[in-house]
Amino acid sequence: DVKVTQSSRYLVKRTGEKVFLECVQDMDHENMFWYRQDPGLGLRLIYFSYDVKMKEKGDIPEGYSVSREKKERFSLILESASTNQTSMYLCASGIYGYTFGSGTRLTVV
Amino acid sequence: QQQVKQSPQSLIVQKGGISIINCAYENTAFDYFPWYQQFPGKGPALLIAIRPDVSEKKEGRFTISFNKSAKQFSLHIMDSQPGDSATYFCAASKGGSTLGRLYFGRGTQLTVWP
Repeated sequence: DVKVTQSSRYLVKRTGEKVFLECVQDMDHENMFWYRQDPGLGLRLIYFSYDVKMKEKGDIPEGYSVSREKKERFSLILESASTNQTSMYLCASGIYGYTFGSGTRLTVV
Repeated sequence: QQQVKQSPQSLIVQKGGISIINCAYENTAFDYFPWYQQFPGKGPALLIAIRPDVSEKKEGRFTISFNKSAKQFSLHIMDSQPGDSATYFCAASKGGSTLGRLYFGRGTQLTVWP
């Protein structure tokens, strides 16, 4: 069974901290994505990558960056966490039909 | 600008009833229309998908109806069950340089009462 694994289910971080969210997929997919999910706003794309070391901004990239050093791993970085980045973060991989991870619920205090 | 518009935001259906969720899009380049189902505490999971060369696709109790001229598609859940209570997202995708990036609707929270 294919898998997208997010390293943490829950995280609590302080304002101003640098935060790393890790995602690993075992399906040899070229494409990987980071979304955030907020009530009433659905799934909003932060960044995506279609190849190692390649990245493209999604709809809400401000305050975030990404790293993709290996095909199977795609990291989301919050350079200086703020309270408005409290959210559910979802990683996905694939083309057309994505496979999602279970999500990381991040709280910034 | 939202690429895919979904309605209703929430839906309450009696057990055994039909649940209907609607989506609309503007970009005629979209060529893949999936639906995702998300249970609390889980990531969305692909439920069913359709391409614009067919008007309907059925998998068990779940059916996608697609109207290319109206640029609308909908999910029908027949004989709805309490276990169907979840959030449903429609989405659309196009090929080309974006390589299958999905544009999601805002979701519909379905509650099926026993």
